Amino acid sequence: QKEVEQDPGPLSVPEGAIVSLNCTYSNSAFQYFMWYRQYSRKGPELLMYTYSSGNKEDGRFTAQVDKSSKYISLFIRDSQPSDSATYLCAMSDTKYNRLAFGKGNQVVVIP
Amino acid sequence: NAGVTQTPKFQVLKTGQSMTLQCAQDMNHNSMYWYRQDPGMGLRLIYYSASEGTTDKGEVPNGYNVSRLNKREFSLRLESAAPSQTSVYFCASSGREGGNQPQHFGDGTRLSIL
Repeated sequence: QKEVEQDPGPLSVPEGAIVSLNCTYSNSAFQYFMWYRQYSRKGPELLMYTYSSGNKEDGRFTAQVDKSSKYISLFIRDSQPSDSATYLCAMSDTKYNRLAFGKGNQVVVIP
Repeated sequence: NAGVTQTPKFQVLKTGQSMTLQCAQDMNHNSMYWYRQDPGMGLRLIYYSASEGTTDKGEVPNGYNVSRLNKREFSLRLESAAPSQTSVYFCASSGREGGNQPQHFGDGTRLSIL
């Protein structure tokens, strides 16, 4: 079993819809959780960074962490065509700064 | 603010050739990383350098070598390129040795080996 599982999609939604993405993980030592956005032919760009369980909101983006279920989510409200990208979840434990990545989920927002 | 800069952006090699991928960061970060990204495989760590003067193997180090030239620069070398090394290579850096800081990525080097 891989440490981080992420459904690769692709996920197509109409403009204005809510996008829901999630990852599951197996390593209970993970404490730091990140979402990266990657546009085509570009590097991953940090979108959200959270520690331990709970919610974090930044504009149209909300990240949720449920450590009891080993499950993290990213919600994008009022999705825009500019949100079309691949979204990667990543996580690390408290000791090392080595990230475990999901495979990425491609999102297409249709105007 | 350039962040993480990778050169070259594209390269085509023949099997058996060697080359070095360059990476530099201007954020005064301690830790630097090299990843490869392949379709269906996600990002895989090749080597990392927790601080200047140290390097360690990641998940897929075979066929690669690295050099942490100074705090800013971290290079990745393919001594004898193989078609299996065709990939997109990303360099990343983060602020703190050990501990936890998010990693910041460059825009990648797209490498094809014929």
